[in-house]
Amino acid sequence: DQQVKQNSPSLSVQEGRISILNCDYTNSMFDYFLWYKKYPAEGPTFLISISSIKDKNEDGRFTVFLNKSAKHLSLHIVPSQPGDSAVYFCAARGTGTYKYIFGTGTRLKVLA
Amino acid sequence: DVKVTQSSRYLVKRTGEKVFLECVQDMDHENMFWYRQDPGLGLRLIYFSYDVKMKEKGDIPEGYSVSREKKERFSLILESASTNQTSMYLCASQGDRVREQYFGPGTRLTVT
Repeated sequence: DQQVKQNSPSLSVQEGRISILNCDYTNSMFDYFLWYKKYPAEGPTFLISISSIKDKNEDGRFTVFLNKSAKHLSLHIVPSQPGDSAVYFCAARGTGTYKYIFGTGTRLKVLA
Repeated sequence: DVKVTQSSRYLVKRTGEKVFLECVQDMDHENMFWYRQDPGLGLRLIYFSYDVKMKEKGDIPEGYSVSREKKERFSLILESASTNQTSMYLCASQGDRVREQYFGPGTRLTVT
């Protein structure tokens, strides 16, 4: 059973507009969440994180929102740039563990 | 900057061969991980290690073993490679005091 789900396998957005990537989870004990970006033939690079005690974290063009009651998090990229075209993974972990469970990824394409 | 390196970027092996994938990190991290990434399945944890000579099974350990003789090095071993082990293999490390995992560039393994 997939505990972390990214239901949109792909997303296309015009340059300069907002990209919104979504992630749903089932385990209410998850306490920390990460977003990674992955280019082809490269390893994932850490993008932004959020703790379950917060509902928003911002870093430059990237903002992550957490809705604990809905068990939903989203990554907003504003404005989107062609270099943002990549696969984005969300990941979640439970309290007291180093193990993260990753979603299946969303391929973002930013059109120039 | 954390640096995680993997011994090969691309590898082609024959069915039945023993395969070694090596990972080295330079940040004195306690925890190291091996994942495989397959289309539509995201990143799945094979094994992880939280200390030298310590290991724990992840979600898909069958057909794999690991070795961690030194803190900086974590090896993934395919005892007898099979075609269903064709995949992208990603190594990651994480310190006890940080919450993010840092990934290597990946090894694209093809088993023919």
